[in-house]
Amino acid sequence: TQLLEQSPQFLSIQEGENLTVYCNSSSVFSSLQWYRQEPGEGPVLLVTVVTGGEVKKLKRLTFQFGDARKDSSLHITAAQPGDTGLYLCAGGAQETSGSRLTFGEGTQLTVNP
Amino acid sequence: NAGVTQTPKFRILKIGQSMTLQCAQDMNHNYMYWYRQDPGMGLKLIYYSVGAGITDKGEVPNGYNVSRSTTEDFPLRLELAAPSQTSVYFCASSHYRVGYGYTFGSGTRLTVV
Repeated sequence: TQLLEQSPQFLSIQEGENLTVYCNSSSVFSSLQWYRQEPGEGPVLLVTVVTGGEVKKLKRLTFQFGDARKDSSLHITAAQPGDTGLYLCAGGAQETSGSRLTFGEGTQLTVNP
Repeated sequence: NAGVTQTPKFRILKIGQSMTLQCAQDMNHNYMYWYRQDPGMGLKLIYYSVGAGITDKGEVPNGYNVSRSTTEDFPLRLELAAPSQTSVYFCASSHYRVGYGYTFGSGTRLTVV
């Protein structure tokens, strides 16, 4: 069984601060995805990274896939209250959905005005 | 597009009762999934399907059953509800390639009393 560990589990910061969320595993993944979930809704895909060392940017969010494809990080610059939510990482062992995604337990982020 | 539609949004069941959680998608995805989400526990896979007529167990299938008679629909059946099945249930669908990500429904919050 592949496991993904996210840290920290909870994070409460002030508007304008920077933060990094980590997603680690002892297993190699073919791809790594990040989702954001808001209260009462299902998770929504933010990004997929597939190449070791890959960096993707989505406005103030920067996602990195580790060189060995076992870990990933999400960095938010100048956090805003609208960034509040549960951030989930998910790893795919293969390129096709038949392998299913393994989800981390999530990081609950609160950005205070 | 509606994406993934789940009904009902909320439900309270008494111990021993049965119910069916409905899930429908209009994206012509072959792959569909049922997850449960408990506080601090992330998403756990209950059942999944790779196409009409094909289903398989996930991590936590006990107490649940599924069927997939059409590409669009993937209902989840709870028989003899137990308090341990109190959770939020999410249905998701995906393209065959993991990189496209999962599309989730908005969830069903189930309480068993």
